[in-house]
Amino acid sequence: QKEVEQDPGPLSVPEGAIVSLNCTYSNSAFQYFMWYRQYSRKGPELLMYTYSSGNKEDGRFTAQVDKSSKYISLFIRDSQPSDSATYLCAIREGGADGLTFGKGTHLIIQP
Amino acid sequence: DSGVTQTPKHLITATGQRVTLRCSPRSGDLSVYWYQQSLDQGLQFLIQYYNGEERAKGNILERFSAQQFPDLHSELNLSSLELGDSALYFCASSGAGQETQYFGPGTRLLVL
Repeated sequence: QKEVEQDPGPLSVPEGAIVSLNCTYSNSAFQYFMWYRQYSRKGPELLMYTYSSGNKEDGRFTAQVDKSSKYISLFIRDSQPSDSATYLCAIREGGADGLTFGKGTHLIIQP
Repeated sequence: DSGVTQTPKHLITATGQRVTLRCSPRSGDLSVYWYQQSLDQGLQFLIQYYNGEERAKGNILERFSAQQFPDLHSELNLSSLELGDSALYFCASSGAGQETQYFGPGTRLLVL
């Protein structure tokens, strides 16, 4: 079983829809949770960072962490064609660790 | 723009060769991380340096090595290259708290 599971998609939704992206993880020691957005052939761009269970909102983006279920989500409201990209969840235990990434979900917002 | 720079952008070389990838972290960041991104494996952590010292190791092959210099830039050395080493190589940096990592634009390596 991989440490972080993420549906690769593609996920195609119409402009203006609410998008839900999800990851599950197996290691209960993970403490830090991040979402990155990656456009084709570009470096990952940090979108959201959370430490504990609960919700965190930033503009149109909401990150949700449920440590009891080992489940993390990213919601995008009022989706735009410019949101079309690959979304990667990333998780870290703590201290001086590298990030463990999901494979990424390819999101397509149809105009 | 994350503030992390990487050179070169593209690199084409032959099997058996050795290459060096370079990374400059964001101003003030002491930690540098190297990642490899391939289609089948996704983004994988290779190694981390903090203020010149190796801090953590991931799935880094013995043919690969890295170092961080006093000016905090880092180099990733890949030797005895194989076709399977073709990938995107990213560098990321983080500040003193090491909580969030900011990625550079990557180096695309093609081994022929």
